[in-house]
Amino acid sequence: AQSVTQLGSHVSVSEGALVLLRCNYSSSVPPYLFWYVQYPNQGLQLLLKYTTGATLVKGINGFEAEFKKSETSFHLTKPSAHMSDAAEYFCAVRISGGSNYKLTFGKGTLLTVNP
Amino acid sequence: ETGVTQSPTHLIKTRGQQVTLRCSSQSGHNTVSWYQQALGQGPQFIFQYYREEENGRGNFPPRFSGLQFPNYSSELNVNALELDDSALYLCASSLATYEQYFGPGTRLTVT
Repeated sequence: AQSVTQLGSHVSVSEGALVLLRCNYSSSVPPYLFWYVQYPNQGLQLLLKYTTGATLVKGINGFEAEFKKSETSFHLTKPSAHMSDAAEYFCAVRISGGSNYKLTFGKGTLLTVNP
Repeated sequence: ETGVTQSPTHLIKTRGQQVTLRCSSQSGHNTVSWYQQALGQGPQFIFQYYREEENGRGNFPPRFSGLQFPNYSSELNVNALELDDSALYLCASSLATYEQYFGPGTRLTVT
């Protein structure tokens, strides 16, 4: 079974500051990892994903994440926060094999951006 | 290309009633997954349909059931509604192993 832990249910940064949202996972098989963003009263939008290959992945809106197997982590970063980044962010894991493609999500991190 | 759509957007039901939620998958996608997102929580996997067959189920009781149609659209049915069923229900479609694209969700309130 797989699981996801997101450290910090709420992160607050100033506009222009570095954004760092933490995600650690547990999986008995090599994982696929995802970050999704959810704006108020909306569904989830995929920011980026790691499947195989390069461990540093770039996504939309200037976000990137690095897969670190030794640390079982997949932290999300953005060099400079913008007001429009304020939203809830979810890390998710999926097993890389098998026929069931379910995603297991963390509890989410609410990002607020202060002017 | 049309994205994932869900209907209705909101609905209010009474405890003990039954509800049906609908999802239209993105064009070309053959897999639909349903998730329940309680307030302040991450989405929880309910079940998944692949080419009209159930392809995995999460830890939800049998009163949660579903269907996938030949055009790959899907329904989620919940019988004997309980107060704890109040949540945002998300549908996601994908082409088999590729990433899942989510709809805007249906907000269900059980009173």
